[in-house]
Amino acid sequence: GENVEQHPSTLSVQEGDSAVIKCTYSDSASNYFPWYKQELGKRPQLIIDIRSNVGEKKDQRIAVTLNKTAKHFSLHITETQPEDSAVYFCAATGNQFYFGTGTSLTVIP
Amino acid sequence: DTEVTQTPKHLVMGMTNKKSLKCEQHMGHRAMYWYKQKAKKPPELMFVYSYEKLSINESVPSRFSPECPNSSLLNLHLHALQPEDSALYLCASSPGTVVTNYGYTFGSGTRLTVV
Repeated sequence: GENVEQHPSTLSVQEGDSAVIKCTYSDSASNYFPWYKQELGKRPQLIIDIRSNVGEKKDQRIAVTLNKTAKHFSLHITETQPEDSAVYFCAATGNQFYFGTGTSLTVIP
Repeated sequence: DTEVTQTPKHLVMGMTNKKSLKCEQHMGHRAMYWYKQKAKKPPELMFVYSYEKLSINESVPSRFSPECPNSSLLNLHLHALQPEDSALYLCASSPGTVVTNYGYTFGSGTRLTVV
């Protein structure tokens, strides 16, 4: 099955700085890579996704990049704000969803 | 309607109780899922229903029993649970089946405490 590794497990940044979270996967058949944000006590919410035929996707302050050859993808958040503080999960899908282990992001005002 | 609705939001039950969690979606999604999530950990897949048929059971103990009465509803029946089963139980749906390249829509979850 798929193995998704996510780093770092915790990340603290100053407000206004950028944050980068990285994931690697093992199954070359994986073709869809979503990112979820989960605030404390709330549901995971899809914030951005990328498919295997695309190298980069951007939505306002959030961007995701995918390197299929190296089997890694990354989430980039620019101009971070305190409301970006949450746990972020990456996932890779082939036959099932495989979640990464999560990154707890804290944005310090 | 673009939501997955779960009830109840909170549940406290004793180890001898029988209770049910409910999940409903009206987006026409054909795959529905039960996940278990511990604090700050990723969701762990329990069950997958595809076109109302159970397609994946991730070796979940028999004290958890899923049911899909129709394409919009998903239940999780609970019986003789253990304290370690205390967790956030998330329902999710997606347009496609198990082989999917669509994002999940998660419900807000049921916070279960077993005493």
